[in-house]
Amino acid sequence: GQNIDQPTEMTATEGAIVQINCTYQTSGFNGLFWYQQHAGEAPTFLSYNVLDGLEEKGRFSSFLSRSKGYSYLLLKELQMKDSASYLCASMDSNYQLIWGAGTKLIIKP
Amino acid sequence: IAGITQAPTSQILAAGRRMTLRCTQDMRHNAMYWYRQDLGLGLRLIHYSNTAGTTGKGEVPDGYSVSRANTDDFPLTLASAVPSQTSVYFCASSGGGLADEQFFGPGTRLTVL
Repeated sequence: GQNIDQPTEMTATEGAIVQINCTYQTSGFNGLFWYQQHAGEAPTFLSYNVLDGLEEKGRFSSFLSRSKGYSYLLLKELQMKDSASYLCASMDSNYQLIWGAGTKLIIKP
Repeated sequence: IAGITQAPTSQILAAGRRMTLRCTQDMRHNAMYWYRQDLGLGLRLIHYSNTAGTTGKGEVPDGYSVSRANTDDFPLTLASAVPSQTSVYFCASSGGGLADEQFFGPGTRLTVL
């Protein structure tokens, strides 16, 4: 079956670094997406990885290992506005996104 | 308008009633999607459309129908609502390649009593 696993909740301190892990198992693979979703709002796109390695985009970086079925999202210099849920999604062979339940990130001062 | 709009923002509906959730995008995106989001679960695909005139079933299509008469609009209809359809519904679109990012509308919060 198809499955995306990510931690339910994480807590970090303002100014620190946090890594949110995601493991995936899908029928075929056409890339791994990360989205951010603030409470009561729509998801917004953060990153897309289809090749192994690290993609850096400002304070956010995303890593992919296709052989391990593993990705992580790295957030640096955390700000209070980074408090949100982070959704991992794998694109399967039909180009449909299979979504994890999301990781709620709580930032403390 | 810019991006994707959805209507209504929220709705309380009696079980058995028919309801259409509206979705309109002005980005000329080919592909459009309907998801539901429930607490503790990931977004689940209900129906999708890769281009105007075509639709397909997602992971949880039962009880829902869609149409795609033109590029901009992708309404979702609940023929006879049931309480298990209480959820937040998001419409999304993507353009260009099949692996393009999806842009989401603001969502419709639906409660079926």
